Amino acid sequence: GAGVSQSPRYKVTKRGQDVTLRCDPISSHATLYWYQQALGQGPEFLTYFNYEAQPDKSGLPSDRFSAERPEGSISTLTIQRTEQRDSAMYRCASSWDPTDTQYFGPGTRLTVL
Amino acid sequence: GQQVMQIPQYQHVQEGEDFTTYCNSSTTLSNIQWYKQRPGGHPVFLIQLVKSGEVKKQKRLTFQFGEAKKNSSLHITATQTTDVGTYFCADNYGGSQGNLIFGKGTKLSVKP
Repeated sequence: GAGVSQSPRYKVTKRGQDVTLRCDPISSHATLYWYQQALGQGPEFLTYFNYEAQPDKSGLPSDRFSAERPEGSISTLTIQRTEQRDSAMYRCASSWDPTDTQYFGPGTRLTVL
Repeated sequence: GQQVMQIPQYQHVQEGEDFTTYCNSSTTLSNIQWYKQRPGGHPVFLIQLVKSGEVKKQKRLTFQFGEAKKNSSLHITATQTTDVGTYFCADNYGGSQGNLIFGKGTKLSVKP
């Protein structure tokens, strides 16, 4: 595709509900990243994939957060039992490989009421 | 853990004035990347600095990497209203791994 796309662009949910966010990276990009960006802050690393493999989950805030990339292309980020503190912009980025430039998607703005 | 500090947090300038943002770390940085995020937009890669003392230029933008690889700066000469946005530095923590440790950014506003 032309760029990284994410859906939905906005998600409002009630506390305790599960949400799943989707990222469609640039085609042929092997590496995909998830970041969380609070208002007025820089993006914070959550996890990344190299094809289907997920070598690093160290940034995931709790076990309520999980990510998948089963076929090495599209990825999902799932937050179970959402809490108000999960409200943030969730950004996906992709790159040709881990050493290459990262291209960010438009993000999903999650609001937990 | 690895932290990247960025100053100032905000900068307001008159169009035509210069602007500088600084990025500092207490530990040696692997390499530094700079991103620009327009209001309501997403981070867009500007440049990567790898070598100690490296200086790169992109038109009115000058990027420097400190000799000890613990600091970096972005300088914009003669700002324009199109320069408005938040400028982030990011350490490519671990080098080959790729996950970025971002600073909190410097938000630049330019008064015409």
